[in-house]
Amino acid sequence: NAGVTQTPKFQVLKTGQSMTLQCAQDMNHEYMSWYRQDPGMGLRLIHYSVGAGITDQGEVPNGYNVSRSTTEDFPLRLLSAAPSQTSVYFCASSYGRGADNSPLHFGNGTRLTVT
Amino acid sequence: AQSVTQLGSHVSVSEGALVLLRCNYSSSVPPYLFWYVQYPNQGLQLLLKYTSAATLVKGINGFEAEFKKSETSFHLTKPSAHMSDAAEYFCAVGYNFNKFYFGSGTKLNVKP
Repeated sequence: NAGVTQTPKFQVLKTGQSMTLQCAQDMNHEYMSWYRQDPGMGLRLIHYSVGAGITDQGEVPNGYNVSRSTTEDFPLRLLSAAPSQTSVYFCASSYGRGADNSPLHFGNGTRLTVT
Repeated sequence: AQSVTQLGSHVSVSEGALVLLRCNYSSSVPPYLFWYVQYPNQGLQLLLKYTSAATLVKGINGFEAEFKKSETSFHLTKPSAHMSDAAEYFCAVGYNFNKFYFGSGTKLNVKP
């Protein structure tokens, strides 16, 4: 199994440009999420989804958009990139959708630089 | 708001020495607790997770963690550090609908 696959691995954008970070999982997980990782701040939840057609905001949703049309895919859209969005982005999925202790499975990340 | 505190952004130990990485959480309800490890340029991997079956949890690579409800802590330990343990470690708490909150991370350096 491939697990959680993120593309691209690296991306450089100019301020104001838009782009989509792709995330796909082949484990039939209902739950998927996006995090950003910044030095000294750990991982912060951007958006998450508990199933196809259902999304919700996390801690830092501003400037990002998501949709979940299939169980496998959960793309993250940057509407108008800003330097503050320079970060490493991780997609993660999990089996559970309720109150359980199913751990997250992570992709290898996308390193985004906005100039 | 829920929070996770990891004391010490950098910890340095000698090879063979005890590893202790601290994690405290703030919650009125015992959450689901996890430790993840991140090697350079990689995603996070699950090291161990707390289940209500036992307060002492054993994970991969010889790591273990003890849940102490009275102290709201879930510290990670390993009796003898190995060079391959050098990485960044994250404590995380999970709540309903798999909302996970991560600590700020602790970078472990292992000296030969």
